[in-house]
Amino acid sequence: AQTVTQSQPEMSVQEAETVTLSCTYDTSESDYYLFWYKQPPSRQMILVIRQEAYKQQNATENRFSVNFQKAAKSFSLKISDSQLGDAAMYFCAYRRRTGAGSYQLTFGKGTKLSVIP
Amino acid sequence: KAGVTQTPRYLIKTRGQQVTLSCSPISGHRSVSWYQQTPGQGLQFLFEYFSETQRNKGNFPGRFSGRQFSNSRSEMNVSTLELGDSALYLCASSFTPGQIYGYTFGSGTRLTVV
Repeated sequence: AQTVTQSQPEMSVQEAETVTLSCTYDTSESDYYLFWYKQPPSRQMILVIRQEAYKQQNATENRFSVNFQKAAKSFSLKISDSQLGDAAMYFCAYRRRTGAGSYQLTFGKGTKLSVIP
Repeated sequence: KAGVTQTPRYLIKTRGQQVTLSCSPISGHRSVSWYQQTPGQGLQFLFEYFSETQRNKGNFPGRFSGRQFSNSRSEMNVSTLELGDSALYLCASSFTPGQIYGYTFGSGTRLTVV
């Protein structure tokens, strides 16, 4: 069964500093997608970054980047130059195929990130 | 362009009652998925609908059901509510199932069962 583990329930970072959130996953598939989502108090899940497993190059979106280690099944998120608006719950997610043309996301338990002014 | 709209935003129900939640996808999106979010279990997949057909269902009891209309709007229903059904219910839409780009979540319906 596919599982996603986020080992850090809470983390904090000073404004303008860098923080790394950890995620490991378990899968027997070779082709899959991984995501980091942000959930602020508004509750909407907002996509931060995605990674295709077949791409060895780590994804980057502005201040957000990932360290994707396929063999180790590790997918960490690095936030550079942290801003107050980055404070939120962060969820790591794995997309798996569940049937012909059918997919679902499996999420980790989340990491609550606080940004200290 | 309007996002994914979930109504109502908050809901309080009594044990044993039933409830219906609504999700209107982004215009043009035909796939809708539902997730339940609780502090204990986290985010869990409920259903996926595409072209008015349920394509996939998560590990939830039969009290949880859903449907999708011809305009792609989706509803989910929970019958005989239990205290443990208190949760944030999120839906997400995309053009087609499993689409990687454009998969967008709504802001959820917070259901409290008392």
